[in-house]
Amino acid sequence: EAGVAQSPRYKIIEKRQSVAFWCNPISGHATLYWYQQILGQGPKLLIQFQNNGVVDDSQLPKDRFSAERLKGVDSTLKIQPAKLEDSAVYLCASSRLARELFFGEGSRLTVL
Amino acid sequence: QKEVEQDPGPLSVPEGAIVSLNCTYSNSAFQYFMWYRQYSRKGPELLMYTYSSGNKEDGRFTAQVDKSSKYISLFIRDSQPSDSATYLCAMRGSGAGSYQLTFGKGTKLSVIP
Repeated sequence: EAGVAQSPRYKIIEKRQSVAFWCNPISGHATLYWYQQILGQGPKLLIQFQNNGVVDDSQLPKDRFSAERLKGVDSTLKIQPAKLEDSAVYLCASSRLARELFFGEGSRLTVL
Repeated sequence: QKEVEQDPGPLSVPEGAIVSLNCTYSNSAFQYFMWYRQYSRKGPELLMYTYSSGNKEDGRFTAQVDKSSKYISLFIRDSQPSDSATYLCAMRGSGAGSYQLTFGKGTKLSVIP
């Protein structure tokens, strides 16, 4: 079974630039999550999708972050404009049931 | 007070040692407790999953939950260099709208050959 795929793995941008991350979940997993993991911290949920509908985006900074999941499969997370404090690893996860989340390897963002 | 507290370490032990990792939490609504292992530059992977209080054993790993003390532990017996990773505790409630996982900061473990 293929795992959760994410790209790009690494991205370096200047502050105020924009960036987009892509995630392809495990086939058949209806629930998709985007987490932000700052160095030395645990992952923090940004947004949760059930199929292509948003379940929870209460911790998503909506003035600069946006996410979509078209057709209930792939998802993109966009940051525009980026701030220095957005430097983090952005983890995508998917699940069939709430019991177990399967994480991708993450996209590491550095904002200079 | 943060919802979930976890000592970030780092923790360094010799191969073969018994390792004890712990988290405390403040939200009494948490019912499901998990331990994730995260290797460097990789995503977290689920290691142990327990519901409510009690013990669960899986090979060299034992998870304990004490809801009365709001304290969870992960024990690793006969630790191996391949166990070197960051261990994250995570927990959530059981009702609708409470599926969001709350993670600890993670404890970085090094097992020295």
